[in-house]
Amino acid sequence: GAVVSQHPSRVICKSGTSVKIECRSLDFQATTMFWYRQFPKKSLMLMATSNEGSKATYEQGVEKDKFLINHASLTLSTLTVTSAHPEDSSFYICSARDSKGYTFGSGTRLTVV
Amino acid sequence: GQSLEQPSEVTAVEGAIVQINCTYQTSGFYGLSWYQQHDGGAPTFLSYNALDGLEETGRFSSFLSRSDSYGYLLLQELQMKDSASYFCAVTGTNAGKSTFGDGTTLTVKP
Repeated sequence: GAVVSQHPSRVICKSGTSVKIECRSLDFQATTMFWYRQFPKKSLMLMATSNEGSKATYEQGVEKDKFLINHASLTLSTLTVTSAHPEDSSFYICSARDSKGYTFGSGTRLTVV
Repeated sequence: GQSLEQPSEVTAVEGAIVQINCTYQTSGFYGLSWYQQHDGGAPTFLSYNALDGLEETGRFSSFLSRSDSYGYLLLQELQMKDSASYFCAVTGTNAGKSTFGDGTTLTVKP
């Protein structure tokens, strides 16, 4: 089946630094990937739609300059959390559409200290 | 916009059958999906309904009624490992993105 690889799985960073999260579709091409954020015991909140070769589409209320998305190839999308603050601590998950539905990456737990 | 409603918690015993309902309001509709998420893990895809009716995959079945804006996930022969959160999600017309419900926490007891 389709596999989406997401790295890193966990990251701890200091306030003010930037963190890059990678999402790769391993056995299929994904012209569109989605980035979600999830707080503990809460639902997945769509942050942005990543489009290969063009600008990402951000959901209302999501800061474009803070959450930089790059989709440079058909198999790779990256999310960079810039100038991270403790309130950015969360579980970030990417997904891509395959032939059967949507496949999620394993998620990245970001902790900003 | 899109909104979904599903129960926050459901409890059942091993071997039983449980149904998790999902009602939705959406400006566009492509399909209704169901995902399972264990604590600390990422969601895994369970099923997708684009047309009315029942889709069966092993112990799990999913139903959709587009006229009622309603669907459900049916879990049979419950096992302890089925304890998890279950999310319904609507894919609308806008670039294939999905809106998720708040999730239903299923607890399976011995």
